[in-house]
Amino acid sequence: GNSVTQMEGPVTLSEEAFLTINCTYTATGYPSLFWYVQYPGEGLQLLLKATKADDKGSNKGFEATYRKETTSFHLEKGSVQVSDSAVYFCALRVNTGFQKLVFGTGTRLLVSP
Amino acid sequence: GAGVSQSPSNKVTEKGKDVELRCDPISGHTALYWYRQRLGQGLEFLIYFQGNSAPDKSGLPSDRFSAERTGESVSTLTIQRTQQEDSAVYLCASSASRGKEETQYFGPGTRLLVL
Repeated sequence: GNSVTQMEGPVTLSEEAFLTINCTYTATGYPSLFWYVQYPGEGLQLLLKATKADDKGSNKGFEATYRKETTSFHLEKGSVQVSDSAVYFCALRVNTGFQKLVFGTGTRLLVSP
Repeated sequence: GAGVSQSPSNKVTEKGKDVELRCDPISGHTALYWYRQRLGQGLEFLIYFQGNSAPDKSGLPSDRFSAERTGESVSTLTIQRTQQEDSAVYLCASSASRGKEETQYFGPGTRLLVL
């Protein structure tokens, strides 16, 4: 079946530190991959996506590269800010038939000044 | 324009009672999804509506759960005879179509607590 595994949190960092949140997936076919972010008190927002192998998604200083050989889509940011504190969800969408999203469990990021 | 809205934002109910959760999708979005997020877990798909097609109910966990959608507008998720394990955040999302590249936009969710 289709599933997403991401590292458990919370991840606690100081401002300007480097961030990596690991995400690996299992899927039939060739999925599209997503990172969603949920800021406190707000709904899920799409952060970035990649639709095929070797694509790099990027937004707001965050990046993730679709690695088919390692079935991974790790999220990175070179210098985090306090405002990046949120819960980050990795997700996949299989591009056949009905395209529901399959989510990981989420990773909480806490950035201190 | 306005995003996806959900109501109520919080709901506390007693075990055995019925609850109705509401979702207003983005205007013009033909696809609507319901997900559930239990504490410490990822989002679970519940049900999907696409235009006037029959909904995909494959994610509904039991026959106590049902959902309706009128055309391409409001959807309600109903949970009958609630149980404590139904406690979760219920999220609604909508997208412009079922196309490959369409992004799902999420509402803020309804936090349900069954006592």
